[in-house]
Amino acid sequence: DAKTTQPPSMDCAEGRAANLPCNHSTISGNEYVYWYRQIHSQGPQYIIHGLKNNETNEMASLIITEDRKSSTLILPHATLRDTAVYYCIVSSFGGNTGTASKLTFGTGTRLQVTL
Amino acid sequence: NAGVTQTPKFQVLKTGQSMTLQCAQDMNHEYMSWYRQDPGMGLRLIHYSVGAGITDQGEVPNGYNVSRSTTEDFPLRLLSAAPSQTSVYFCASSNNAGAYEQYFGPGTRLTVT
Repeated sequence: DAKTTQPPSMDCAEGRAANLPCNHSTISGNEYVYWYRQIHSQGPQYIIHGLKNNETNEMASLIITEDRKSSTLILPHATLRDTAVYYCIVSSFGGNTGTASKLTFGTGTRLQVTL
Repeated sequence: NAGVTQTPKFQVLKTGQSMTLQCAQDMNHEYMSWYRQDPGMGLRLIHYSVGAGITDQGEVPNGYNVSRSTTEDFPLRLLSAAPSQTSVYFCASSNNAGAYEQYFGPGTRLTVT
């Protein structure tokens, strides 16, 4: 699976949009971009995923560049509860082959939301 | 649904002892996985299973055994605990039908002295 590069930490004021970048320049055609977050010492929580189109759900938006070499996770109105480590992961989804269950977590971006 | 449950929450072992970390899910998920997370690090895959009776090794399998006799349960066995296995262990499950989301349990914090 492709390797990802994320800034180690970012700050964001509460109520503002948090834009978390991720570089994945070696991504291959069948690999998805996943975002998870880990709040304090809890288990990671799925946020969103995408292949090549931009995606939006109730938690966040995912913007993937046209060449798919980088992406940005956007939390439109960050709150204190969004303070967490955010992981950008690139992985192929293999359906019945079992690769969907194999995620490679890096060290992520520690997002601190402040008043 | 309780989701993914893990027991115990905390455990202290002496070097050489063995134990089993329990993981159960009530979502009828085919896929289950075990990860470990060391301080300041991301999660690393230990073992995973694509269905009952099928298991495979992940990135860091040495010192751990797994089995999958039912869809619901995926226990992780430490055969002879070592201080290097001090970590937080997370179990996860996901649907085989095309869902991309993995559901993680709350974790087991293990200390080996």
